[in-house]
Amino acid sequence: DTGVSQNPRHKITKRGQNVTFRCDPISEHNRLYWYRQTLGQGPEFLTYFQNEAQLEKSRLLSDRFSAERPKGSFSTLEIQRTEQGDSAMYLCASSRSGPSPGTDTQYFGPGTRLTVL
Amino acid sequence: AQSVAQPEDQVNVAEGNPLTVKCTYSVSGNPYLFWYVQYPNRGLQFLLKYITGDNLVKGSYGFEAEFNKSQTSFHLKKPSALVSDSALYFCAVRRGEGGKLIFGQGTELSVKP
Repeated sequence: DTGVSQNPRHKITKRGQNVTFRCDPISEHNRLYWYRQTLGQGPEFLTYFQNEAQLEKSRLLSDRFSAERPKGSFSTLEIQRTEQGDSAMYLCASSRSGPSPGTDTQYFGPGTRLTVL
Repeated sequence: AQSVAQPEDQVNVAEGNPLTVKCTYSVSGNPYLFWYVQYPNRGLQFLLKYITGDNLVKGSYGFEAEFNKSQTSFHLKKPSALVSDSALYFCAVRRGEGGKLIFGQGTELSVKP
């Protein structure tokens, strides 16, 4: 496995601009997750896909946030009209469902650090 | 609602001594419990998990964790700490298969030579 990859690794933008992040999961992982982590805190769940279906969205995911996984492979997370409070590390994780309980361990990418000026 | 508490923001240990990083959880039903480690400016790296069975689970880099249902705890342990173990450690819980992880706020482990 080559691991979960995320691009870009760093993004600096001005308030009000739109940004898009990409996540490529581990090959053959059918589940994909987005989390947000601010300094000194644990990651907070944003949304979760199984194949191309978005199965759960956090209340943290305001209408300025949208995520897609169009072909059940890579995923994008878009933030519209960014605010300074959106500054955080955005983490992507993937896992594979399986027949045994607990098969699907989530493996994380390196994250995209967003700074909104 | 699910929740995880890591009561210590920081744990300091001398190299070669045993270490414990504490975690307690709250979840309805049977919990799936996880430990992850995060090095500076990096993503989270999976260490170990408890799903069912033996209460003592072993993971990567000599770490182990003990599940205690009555105390709703899942403490991370290592018999002999290394300086390279210094990092941020996160405990997480999930209810059943699939779905989100709920993380604690993290514990910074510092191992001094």
